[in-house]
Amino acid sequence: DAGVTQSPTHLIKTRGQQVTLRCSPISGHKSVSWYQQVLGQGPQFIFQYYEKEERGRGNFPDRFSARQFPNYSSELNVNALLLGDSALYLCASSLSTGTAQETQYFGPGTRLLVL
Amino acid sequence: AQSVTQLGSHVSVSEGALVLLRCNYSSSVPPYLFWYVQYPNQGLQLLLKYTTGATLVKGINGFEAEFKKSETSFHLTKPSAHMSDAAEYFCAVINTGGFKTIFGAGTRLFVKA
Repeated sequence: DAGVTQSPTHLIKTRGQQVTLRCSPISGHKSVSWYQQVLGQGPQFIFQYYEKEERGRGNFPDRFSARQFPNYSSELNVNALLLGDSALYLCASSLSTGTAQETQYFGPGTRLLVL
Repeated sequence: AQSVTQLGSHVSVSEGALVLLRCNYSSSVPPYLFWYVQYPNQGLQLLLKYTTGATLVKGINGFEAEFKKSETSFHLTKPSAHMSDAAEYFCAVINTGGFKTIFGAGTRLFVKA
């Protein structure tokens, strides 16, 4: 079975631009979470979506938004990019709402560089 | 609020030596704790997790961790390091609502031949 897939793998943007990152969960998984991992740090939680609804949001500005589609894939959008948005963006999927009893499966990430 | 502290951003061991990666947590409720590994240019892979029950948790690749409530610790160990263990390791706790995983800053493990 395919794991969590993310596209693109790498991306270069300039300040002020907008970017859309995509994630396809493992088949049968209904929950998708997004994390930002800045170089040298641990991942920081951005969003969790379950059944197309936002279930949780981290401490990120409104420039960050996401959505989940009927097929449970998800997009993360970042507007008005800043240099500090340069990071590895990780997507994780789980069967339902990501409770402690469930395992999150992470994709390989999208590496975003903002110049 | 939950938080995780990993002691030591870098740990270096010789091949065959004991691996010990330290993690302390802060949580106002019984914690659910995790260790993840990240190889270069890859996503995170779950090594093991503690939810309830036995405090000594065995994971993949010969790793194990012990939950010690009195010390608020969840240290990761492996009796004998392999070169393939060289990677970044993250300790994590899940928040009370169960939807947000809070990660430590990570510990990079180097294995010397």
